[in-house]
Amino acid sequence: ELVMTQSPATLSVSPGERATLSCRASQSISSNLAWYQQKFGQAPRLLVYDASTRATGIPARFSGSGSGTEFTLTISSLQSEDFALYYCQQYNNWPRTFGQGTKVEIK
Amino acid sequence: EVQLVQSGAEVKKPGESLKISCKASEYSFTTYWIGWVRQMPGKGLEWMGVIFPGDSDTRYSPSFQGQVTFSADKSISTAYLQWSSLKASDSALYYCARLGGDYIEYFDHWGQGTLVTVSS
Repeated sequence: ELVMTQSPATLSVSPGERATLSCRASQSISSNLAWYQQKFGQAPRLLVYDASTRATGIPARFSGSGSGTEFTLTISSLQSEDFALYYCQQYNNWPRTFGQGTKVEIK
Repeated sequence: EVQLVQSGAEVKKPGESLKISCKASEYSFTTYWIGWVRQMPGKGLEWMGVIFPGDSDTRYSPSFQGQVTFSADKSISTAYLQWSSLKASDSALYYCARLGGDYIEYFDHWGQGTLVTVSS
């Protein structure tokens, strides 16, 4: 099973600052990667797919990059509503797998 | 607007059976895969598997193969996740979600989740 490793586990950021989240695949997954945001008590929401394509309605401050085994989700200027959990998910190999998540908290 | 509405919270005893539902609306139910995701208390997301309601083709993650069953009723645009004999370790929040992309790729719309509690 392909393992997705996210880092850091927790990221402390001040509002208005940039946040950089990482996701590493145990083998190459091309650009077959999605990012999700999950706020407390809510269902996840798709942010990015195909590693760098923003989903419908997602603000431009969210950007995804990377290919192969190394991927990054960048939030350019954190807003209060962005403090949440973030998960990556690969869809190159079977079974599809999620990373363990990165919590973005207020510094 | 695409909507996935899941059935309400359940409290069951070990050994009991359970079927939870996910009703889809505002899109063509038979032309998109629907998947199930488990989230155990305080933990991350786990990809369980998917079903194609058009022909009930199913794909299970090995961790869940034989443990759960997916089904779908096209006539009422509803997908189901069922257990024949629940265990305490099945206690979790279960999400249904629609698959976007060309095949079984990413989840573009999610249900609100169904909390399942299994306790004697």
